[in-house]
Amino acid sequence: AQSVTQPDIHITVSEGASLELRCNYSYGATPYLFWYVQSPGQGLQLLLKYFSGDTLVQGIKGFEAEFKRSQSSFNLRKPSVHWSDAAEYFCALGDQGGSEKLVFGKGTKLTVNP
Amino acid sequence: KAGVTQTPRYLIKTRGQQVTLSCSPISGHRSVSWYQQTPGQGLQFLFEYFSETQRNKGNFPGRFSGRQFSNSRSEMNVSTLELGDSALYLCASSSVAGPSDTQYFGPGTRLTVL
Repeated sequence: AQSVTQPDIHITVSEGASLELRCNYSYGATPYLFWYVQSPGQGLQLLLKYFSGDTLVQGIKGFEAEFKRSQSSFNLRKPSVHWSDAAEYFCALGDQGGSEKLVFGKGTKLTVNP
Repeated sequence: KAGVTQTPRYLIKTRGQQVTLSCSPISGHRSVSWYQQTPGQGLQFLFEYFSETQRNKGNFPGRFSGRQFSNSRSEMNVSTLELGDSALYLCASSSVAGPSDTQYFGPGTRLTVL
């Protein structure tokens, strides 16, 4: 069965510091992978997605993610965090059966200290 | 282009009642999916509709149902509400049905069951 694990429930970083959020997936074939961000009281906004090709994916707001098949990982990175990046981040795995279904990780809450 | 809209944004019901939530997708989008978000279970897929047909359903009891209209608007219904149904219900739309397509999420409907 498809699954997504985000090992870190909560991460705190200082403004200007670099950020890496971890995501591991379980799926046999080439996965469809997504990172979404959710601010308090808001819906989910897509940061970036990976389907195939270049393993380093660029997204919005200065985020990037690297797909590593050997490690079944799709970690999200940002070189310099801004206070406005404080939110909850979700990694998701797309359904290979042809549907729109997404399997989400439990999320990582990011706190940014001034 | 207007985003995904969900109504109402907040809802309070009592156990045993039923509730209907509405989702209007982005103009031109034909696929609508619904998710339930709770602190304990995270984001869980409810169902997916494309061209008025349910294409996929998550692991939820029959009390949860949905439909899609010819204009792509979708409703979900929960009958005989239980306390555990308290959650944020998110709707997402995409232009075509498929795992590689980007899903755009609405702000959600916060349902509280007393």
